[in-house]
Parts: sequence; C-alpha cells; structure tokens
Amino acid sequence: EAGVAQSPRYKIIEKRQSVAFWCNPISGHATLYWYQQILGQGPKLLIQFQNNGVVDDSQLPKDRFSAERLKGVDSTLKIQPAKLEDSAVYLCASSGGSYNEQFFGPGTRLTVL
Amino acid sequence: GENVEQHPSTLSVQEGDSAVIKCTYSDSASNYFPWYKQELGKRPQLIIDIRSNVGEKKDQRIAVTLNKTAKHFSLHITETQPEDSAVYFCAAQPGNQFYFGTGTSLTVIP
Repeated sequence: EAGVAQSPRYKIIEKRQSVAFWCNPISGHATLYWYQQILGQGPKLLIQFQNNGVVDDSQLPKDRFSAERLKGVDSTLKIQPAKLEDSAVYLCASSGGSYNEQFFGPGTRLTVL
Repeated sequence: GENVEQHPSTLSVQEGDSAVIKCTYSDSASNYFPWYKQELGKRPQLIIDIRSNVGEKKDQRIAVTLNKTAKHFSLHITETQPEDSAVYFCAAQPGNQFYFGTGTSLTVIP
C-alpha cells in the first residue's frame, strides 16, 4: 500500500514569514496527526483529526499555527508568522487500519533563519 | 494525560550483544504500545508493537514485553548488528492519542 505523503521535504524561511505543509494520509485512514519533532527529541503532537474533525489541538500554538483537513483526506499545516524556535521536522502520520497502527510520512524539515 | 518515560537515553553495545530499552507509562487506560526505529534523517518506522492483552511478543531478533501491573514495557534486541544503530522511541496509546518517550540512541559497535 502507498505510504503517507508529505511535501515539501525541506523548507528554509526567514522569521516572520509564512509557510505551509501538505500531507496525504494512507487511503482509508480516518485519523491524521501532525507532530513537531525538534532535534534530539521525540515527536510532539500538535493536532489530531478524526475524519475532518479536530480531536485534540491542545498543544497547537494557535496564535501562529493552524491546520485543516479538507474533506477528511488531505491536510495542511500552516505557520504564520514563523519564529526561530519553529525550526524542526514536521511529521504527518495516519492510522485507521485493522489494528490502528500509526504510520509516519517522511516529514518536512523546516529551518527558520 | 499520559506520561511516558524512556531509559536509557543512549546505549552502546558490541555487535552480537543484546540491547534492552525500557519505558514506563502512567495511564492505566493505555492499551497499545508501539516501538519505532528512526534512522538519521528518516521517518519513524514501526518495528514491533504489543497490546495490553498479551505479555510478550517476538519477531525474529526483536521482542517486546509488557508488565501492566507495573506499567512498564521493554524492547529487547538480540544479536545486534550495525544496521540496528538508530534512535528508538516507545509510545503508549490510551484512547486515540499516542504519547512518545524521549528516545534512545542505540549504537552498535562492529
């Protein structure tokens, strides 16, 4: 089966600029996650969708981060404006198979200068 | 919410030896415990998982054990090889959300 797709793979921006990331989950997976992984740390959940509804966004910095899941399939995560501390890898994951395993996309490495 | 602790943060072993990574969790509602391997610059890959209705699961050189009473679970890698070198993350799932440990950097010395 095809895996989780993400784009772009790399992005370099200046602070205060805006950036958007895209994710296409595994076909049929109802649950989609966005994680932030700072170098040397484990993934930190930013937002979780079940179909097109938000299940948990308690750790999403809502003053600058936003996310949506169009028609319960693809999702976009936006940062506006970016700060230096937003430099990280942004991982998208999906789950929903028979055993609810979670599968990760390749991630987007964001560098904020 | 759930709190997952992982030890050690770094681990070096000689090729052929065994490696053990331990995690503890706090929420008794957690019922699914996956382990991920993340090589440098790559995505986390699911390598093995265990559900709360079993105490041990094995897949070739990798095994996971779960002690629900003590709320801890462990990853065991036997006959380690250089390609096992990576960062390993444990996770616990109560409900729909996954909570990750802080990772263990494993180095297998040839």
